[in-house]
Amino acid sequence: GENVEQHPSTLSVQEGDSAVIKCTYSDSASNYFPWYKQELGKGPQLIIDIRSNVGEKKDQRIAVTLNKTAKHFSLHITETQPEDSAVYFCAASSYNQGGKLIFGQGTELSVKP
Amino acid sequence: DTGVSQNPRHKITKRGQNVTFRCDPISEHNRLYWYRQTLGQGPEFLTYFQNEAQLEKSRLLSDRFSAERPKGSFSTLEIQRTEQGDSAMYLCASSSTGGRGEKLFFGSGTQLSVL
Repeated sequence: GENVEQHPSTLSVQEGDSAVIKCTYSDSASNYFPWYKQELGKGPQLIIDIRSNVGEKKDQRIAVTLNKTAKHFSLHITETQPEDSAVYFCAASSYNQGGKLIFGQGTELSVKP
Repeated sequence: DTGVSQNPRHKITKRGQNVTFRCDPISEHNRLYWYRQTLGQGPEFLTYFQNEAQLEKSRLLSDRFSAERPKGSFSTLEIQRTEQGDSAMYLCASSSTGGRGEKLFFGSGTQLSVL
């Protein structure tokens, strides 16, 4: 089955700097790759996603890149703000496997003012 | 608020007791997923429904766990004879199978503590 690895497990940046989180996946059939942000005591919130027919997607300060050949994808946050501090999860799924998401282990991002 | 709703938010129980959680998905969503999340880990898939049919169960879902979605709307997750290892956050998510989209939207979860 699918296995998703995420790095780093913790990341500390200064406000205004960029943050990059990387994930690798194992199943070449995976074709959908979302990123979630989880704040303490809350459920994961979808922040951006990308499909396997696209190499890059951007939404304001957030961007995701996908390299299908290498089976890795990354989240880029620019001009970080203290409210970006949270745990971020990557995930992968295959539409023909019911759409269930397999998650990475999470990255705790801390943005210092 | 038309998001995914989970009740209760917190549940404390003694080992050996039965507990039941409820999930109300986004109304137009026909798929409903249950996940379990322990501290410092990503959510782990347990099971999912398409309408009222339970289509897949993870090996994590032991015989003590049962999930239902009787009318294809809300779902319940029951844990019988709880063990301390069942302590976790139980998350529910829903999605629509329309088009190529499989965006999963999560509720706030039920935090279970087994004493």
